[in-house]
Parts: sequence; structure tokens; C-alpha cells
Amino acid sequence: AQSVSQHNHHVILSEAASLELGCNYSYGGTVNLFWYVQYPGQHLQLLLKYFSGDPLVKGIKGFEAEFIKSKFSFNLRKPSVQWSDTAEYFCAVNKGYGGSQGNLIFGKGTKLSVKP
Amino acid sequence: SQTIHQWPATLVQPVGSPLSLECTVEGTSNPNLYWYRQAAGRGLQLLFYSVGIGQISSEVPQNLSASRPQDRQFILSSKKLLLSDSGFYLCAWSPTLAGYTFGSGTRLTVV
Repeated sequence: AQSVSQHNHHVILSEAASLELGCNYSYGGTVNLFWYVQYPGQHLQLLLKYFSGDPLVKGIKGFEAEFIKSKFSFNLRKPSVQWSDTAEYFCAVNKGYGGSQGNLIFGKGTKLSVKP
Repeated sequence: SQTIHQWPATLVQPVGSPLSLECTVEGTSNPNLYWYRQAAGRGLQLLFYSVGIGQISSEVPQNLSASRPQDRQFILSSKKLLLSDSGFYLCAWSPTLAGYTFGSGTRLTVV
């Protein structure tokens, strides 16, 4: 079955530490890749997305992600985290737009706690 | 501007009672609409999606149903709730390849 795997359930970091959250997917063929973030008490928000082109994608708030097709991975990175980055992060994949192809399949999420 | 409304924000219902959660979208027409459930430790699971009025596709068999009586209205229902229906329900819409916009969610606790 098609799936999205996020390797870490809970990551705890100190401020200024570097962050890398892993995401692997099991789809074959062309995919669109997303990272969403859910801050405490807030909506899910789009952090960044990849459709095509440069595999290194820059998103909001200093986050970036790299699509490595050979590894079926789309890891999220940030060089220096802040306390305000404390949130839950979700990786998601779809195969296009329209009908069932547009359906997003999510990973289980990674909770990030940043200690001040 | 385009917005998505979802209510209620929280709901506590007894086992066996009915359920109706509503989601409406403003500022767009003919959106793709989705219902997701977020259960603790299980991520977001797609429950239903709709590409138009009256068109509902179910991704997983369950105790829930969905309806789309109007272009910008998407309703999640159940005739008899189970304990396992507890969770956080999210409505979303997808205007373009830019991704989804999510509602604020409904926290459902079945007791």
C-alpha cells in the first residue's frame, strides 16, 4: 500500500540547534510533496511544497526540504531552530490534481519541542 | 478572499448518538473538498473526498458518511457514534496544485 513514513515521533532540541526531520514515501512515478506544520492550537499550515524543478525547496520561516528521488525522501531542515518552531510537522504526498490523484496522504507526524 | 469554516470546534457525544459536522468554503466555486481524521499517534487519515455536488468518494470503510448538498458545503455524519470515532476531524479544500487549505478542526470525544 502507498504510504508516507516519518521516522521520528518526537524530537526535542535546544534553541539554535539544527533540525532535520525525515520523510520517506512509497509511491512510484511522479509525486507532489508537501510539509505542513500545526502550531499548538492553530490550523494546519503549508510550510513548503515540491512539484518539479529544483529539488531543494525553500519554505516559510527559514525551513527548506530536499527531494531525493532515488531515496524516495523529502526531508525537512532548518539550520537553527527557535522556541517558536515548537509544533507538529506532517509530511504529505499526492500524485497530481483532480479526482483521487489530488488526495493527500499524510505521514503520522513528528512533534518538535524546542527548549528555550 | 477564500476561507473555510468548520464547526463546532469541540463536541462531546455519547456512544450511539448521531453526528453532524459541517464545513463551508467561501470565495471559490467547485472546490475539491476533503474530510480527514487525526487520531493520536496515527497522523491524518483521509476519510472522504468530493469533486462536486453529490459526488462522494470514501477512502476507508467506517461508521461515518459524508454529503455535499451544495457546491461549497461538505457534511460529515454518523447515525450511531462509536468510541473509536473519537478524534480530531479536519475539513480541507484544494483549489489548485498549491496544496490544501485546512479548516480549524473539530475535536470529537465520544463517551
